[in-house]
Amino acid sequence: KQEVTQIPAALSVPEGENLVLNCSFTDSAIYNLQWFRQDPGKGLTSLLLIQSSQREQTSGRLNASLDKSSGRSTLYIAASQPGDSATYLCAVRVSNAGKSTFGDGTTLTVKP
Amino acid sequence: GAGVSQSPRYKVAKRGQDVALRCDPISGHVSLFWYQQALGQGPEFLTYFQNEAQLDKSGLPSDRFFAERPEGSVSTLKIQRTQQEDSAVYLCASSFPPLLAGEAFFGQGTRLTVV
Repeated sequence: KQEVTQIPAALSVPEGENLVLNCSFTDSAIYNLQWFRQDPGKGLTSLLLIQSSQREQTSGRLNASLDKSSGRSTLYIAASQPGDSATYLCAVRVSNAGKSTFGDGTTLTVKP
Repeated sequence: GAGVSQSPRYKVAKRGQDVALRCDPISGHVSLFWYQQALGQGPEFLTYFQNEAQLDKSGLPSDRFFAERPEGSVSTLKIQRTQQEDSAVYLCASSFPPLLAGEAFFGQGTRLTVV
């Protein structure tokens, strides 16, 4: 059974700092890994999707990496802003048509 | 609309009441997923449809939970005889494999509170 762990559970940083969020998974036979952002009381917004054959994806100040062999992914946020404050979730999918398994998220607070 | 739409956004039910939650996926999306998210936790898989076929219902917690997608578009998640432990946010997601490489798009969720 796939298990996904996100560390730390919460993180507080001053504005402008670069930071890394971690996601680990137990079964390396994944189809893709997706990072989401969730604001309080809201649904999930997709940030980055990495296919199993890819090593990283970038979008603006965000960069996600994937190391299947070690069962790890990182989300790098450059020059953090207060608007980045949210919960970040990673989800792994084992097949094109299958369900995703989520971690419990990292709640990020960026202080002005 | 362009995104996944869920209704109602909020639902308060008395214990023992039946509820029905609706999901309108992105037009043309073949796959539809339901997830349950408890406070402070990540979403947990409930069930999956490909078109009108329910291919995986392994996450449904009890036989009080039932989902359908009769025409391969709109889906309804029904919970019978609601219990307090059913209180959670219910999220719907859709995707269109393989052209979008399996990216899942989520709705805003329905927050169910059982009192």
